[in-house]
Amino acid sequence: EAEVAQSPRYKITEKSQAVAFWCDPISGHATLYWYRQILGQGPELLVQFQDESVVDDSQLPKDRFSAERLKGVDSTLKIQPAELGDSAMYLCASRPNRGLPGELFFGEGSRLTVL
Amino acid sequence: AQRVTQPEKLLSVFKGAPVELKCNYSYSGSPELFWYVQYSRQRLQLLLRHISRESIKGFTADLNKGETSFHLKKPFAQEEDSAMYYCALSSTSGTYKYIFGTGTRLKVLA
Repeated sequence: EAEVAQSPRYKITEKSQAVAFWCDPISGHATLYWYRQILGQGPELLVQFQDESVVDDSQLPKDRFSAERLKGVDSTLKIQPAELGDSAMYLCASRPNRGLPGELFFGEGSRLTVL
Repeated sequence: AQRVTQPEKLLSVFKGAPVELKCNYSYSGSPELFWYVQYSRQRLQLLLRHISRESIKGFTADLNKGETSFHLKKPFAQEEDSAMYYCALSSTSGTYKYIFGTGTRLKVLA
């Protein structure tokens, strides 16, 4: 069964360092989402792609976060420089582009700890 | 503002007891509503969605547009229902932005 792949699963870094997360959605899924989930809270949307285009990045802290999906397939989320408050689980999700809203398929997430 | 509210962080019930996980939403328009579940050491996955009107693993959810609620119910809880439950909504046009609640941890006690 096809699944959304994310790496790394765990990342520990010191503040002011750069970190990057990778996501490979299910093949054929045109829409890709990056969410941040702080402990005890629900997933919060950071950025949404339709193919290679950003359709919503209103909640992305653009001074330090960037995201790209150059060929409309896999995606990278980068943080530079990392801050203590960035410690969280970073979730990637994808969905096929079939009109009505449907199921989001999630990856296992990348847990970031900033020291 | 678009928002999903789950008032309970933790809900503990005994096996065989009825369960109701509350979800209220704020949205200008008619969103699509979902319940997602995360079992221990597993990824977040869809449990059910309003448009399907299905019963999944004995769970049902009724959309009350007047009260803007989408509570999740199960008549007899099982130990394997213990998990984290998230209510979510999506727009039904445009970019299909999904908004999640803060989640409710359900513990079913033996």
